[in-house]
Amino acid sequence: DGGITQSPKYLFRKEGQNVTLSCEQNLNHDAMYWYRQDPGQGLRLIYYSQIVNDFQKGDIAEGYSVSREKKESFPLTVTSAQKNPTAFYLCASRALGLYGYTFGSGTRLTVV
Amino acid sequence: KNEVEQSPQNLTAQEGEFITINCSYSVGISALHWLQQHPGGGIVSLFMLSSGKKKHGRLIATINIQEKHSSLHITASHPRDSAVYICAVRLADGSQGNLIFGKGTKLSVKP
Repeated sequence: DGGITQSPKYLFRKEGQNVTLSCEQNLNHDAMYWYRQDPGQGLRLIYYSQIVNDFQKGDIAEGYSVSREKKESFPLTVTSAQKNPTAFYLCASRALGLYGYTFGSGTRLTVV
Repeated sequence: KNEVEQSPQNLTAQEGEFITINCSYSVGISALHWLQQHPGGGIVSLFMLSSGKKKHGRLIATINIQEKHSSLHITASHPRDSAVYICAVRLADGSQGNLIFGKGTKLSVKP
């Protein structure tokens, strides 16, 4: 079945460490997105990419980095510069020209 | 002021009740999405609307473009409907397809 796979589901890291969250899709979607969700807040856009080797900052990109070396993969690195990294992270994808989105199941990151 | 407002924030219902969740937005949009987020966190897309009304099983979504308002209705609610329902809009200017999300409505259906 086609879909988005995010791994791991839960992740714990010590403060000051970089951590990379995985997002893989087999839907042949062009666009991929990373969102952050905090309690009581709507999802906020971190980064997005519409084609391989190109990506754009979203509303809250500071302290994060991404790469898009392959169409199916869009990993997100939470760097030590991110001041408050504990959150729920969601990846999504979309075929360009279409409005429908597919979401992953998310990764809950806890930094201690 | 948030560009996408949902009401209510929290909703508790008895099994079998008819439920309405509202979404108002203040920007021009090309599409509106209703999403469902279960306790595990994963999000499922329920509807995508640009006009009128859509129905899927016990779920009905409507949108009034002139009034910038959408509603999600659940008929004959069931405990398995308990989830957070999120409204999201895609701006009319395209904005690279990015969505603006409401804060969600947490629904709890009691047996």
